[in-house]
Amino acid sequence: DIQMTQSPSSLSASVGDRVTITCRASQGISNYLAWYQQKPGKVPKLLIYGASTLQSGVPSRFSGSGSGTEFTLTISSLQPEDVATYYCQKYDSAPLTFGPGTKVDIK
Amino acid sequence: EVQLVETGGGLIQSGGSLRLSCAASGFTVSSNHMSWVRQSPGKGLEWVSVIYSGGSTYYADSVKGRFTISRDNSKNTLYLQMNSLRAEDTAVYYCARVVYGVDYWGQGALVTVSS
Repeated sequence: DIQMTQSPSSLSASVGDRVTITCRASQGISNYLAWYQQKPGKVPKLLIYGASTLQSGVPSRFSGSGSGTEFTLTISSLQPEDVATYYCQKYDSAPLTFGPGTKVDIK
Repeated sequence: EVQLVETGGGLIQSGGSLRLSCAASGFTVSSNHMSWVRQSPGKGLEWVSVIYSGGSTYYADSVKGRFTISRDNSKNTLYLQMNSLRAEDTAVYYCARVVYGVDYWGQGALVTVSS
């Protein structure tokens, strides 16, 4: 089975900073990669699918890139409401594995 | 409006069985890929199972042989039958619609397995 990893596992940045999270697949998954945001106590929310397509209603400061085995989620200007844990997920075929998550805090 | 409502969670003893239900509205379960995702307390998201629109089913290794995903087209409802439950199955279980990733999630059902 394909394994998903994320780095870093956590980060702390200032409001307005550019933040980048990396997700790696152990084998190529083309662009079948989604990113989710989960705020404490809340249900996860789809941010990006197809590695780079922004889900409707998601602020444009979020962007995704990559293909194959390496993917990135970028927050261009970190806002206080972006404090959350971010997960990637492969959805090319089962198992639909999630990455371990990256916790983002405000410095 | 798309909605997913899970029921059936609760406290169960180790070795016991439980069935989760997920009633869908606003779309047809049988025409979509549907999945269960769980989250243990303080931990990350773990994919559990998927039933594709064509009927194929798949499971995480951690639940294979113990859990069964199914759907009732007449009730537009997804199920997860969980047998031989273990303490490590304690989690919030989310019902999810899979389109390009999970675009809709239920509110979650808490399953607590006591040893």
